[in-house]
Amino acid sequence: AQSVTQLDSQVPVFEEAPVELRCNYSSSVSVYLFWYVQYPNQGLQLLLKYLSGSTLVESINGFEAEFNKSQTSFHLRKPSVHISDTAEYFCAVIGQGTSGSRLTFGEGTQLTVNP
Amino acid sequence: NAGVMQNPRHLVRRRGQEARLRCSPMKGHSHVYWYRQLPEEGLKFMVYLQKENIIDESGMPKERFSAEFPKEGPSILRIQQVVRGDSAAYFCASSPRDRGYEQYFGPGTRLTVT
Repeated sequence: AQSVTQLDSQVPVFEEAPVELRCNYSSSVSVYLFWYVQYPNQGLQLLLKYLSGSTLVESINGFEAEFNKSQTSFHLRKPSVHISDTAEYFCAVIGQGTSGSRLTFGEGTQLTVNP
Repeated sequence: NAGVMQNPRHLVRRRGQEARLRCSPMKGHSHVYWYRQLPEEGLKFMVYLQKENIIDESGMPKERFSAEFPKEGPSILRIQQVVRGDSAAYFCASSPRDRGYEQYFGPGTRLTVT
């Protein structure tokens, strides 16, 4: 079984400031890790994922996340945020080696970018 | 290439009525997952289905909830005798057969029980 903890429920920042959304997980098996973004009244969109290889993964819109196995973390960062980044962000994990299984989500972090 | 489709997008039911939520997976995907998002909470797994098979329903409430994914047609999540606590957003995801970790989500159905 897995669990995910997102340490901040709300993160307010000013436009063009850097941001870090924290995610820690617990699992008895190796996992794949994901960040999803949810805009108001919409579904979840995959932002980025870690499956294997380089521990630093990047999205097309400037976000990056680093898998730290020793600290069981997968924090999401962006060096300069825009108003349009305002959304809810969910960290999720799934156990490796399963051909189809459940995603376990954190409680979400509401990122609000202010002008 | 259409994504995961869900309908209706919004559903209002009175207490005691039945709710039927539909999900059509992405083309080529044979696995469907249902998740529920209660207000101010993250998504919680409910059930995982393949065509004509329920693979894992450990997240489904024991009573009033059922799910199916028939050979033809969409997957259906059915809630009988709805109560106010069922008010939530219900999301469907689908994945390819051999990559269950690669789940694509639909826009969700927002159920309101009055």
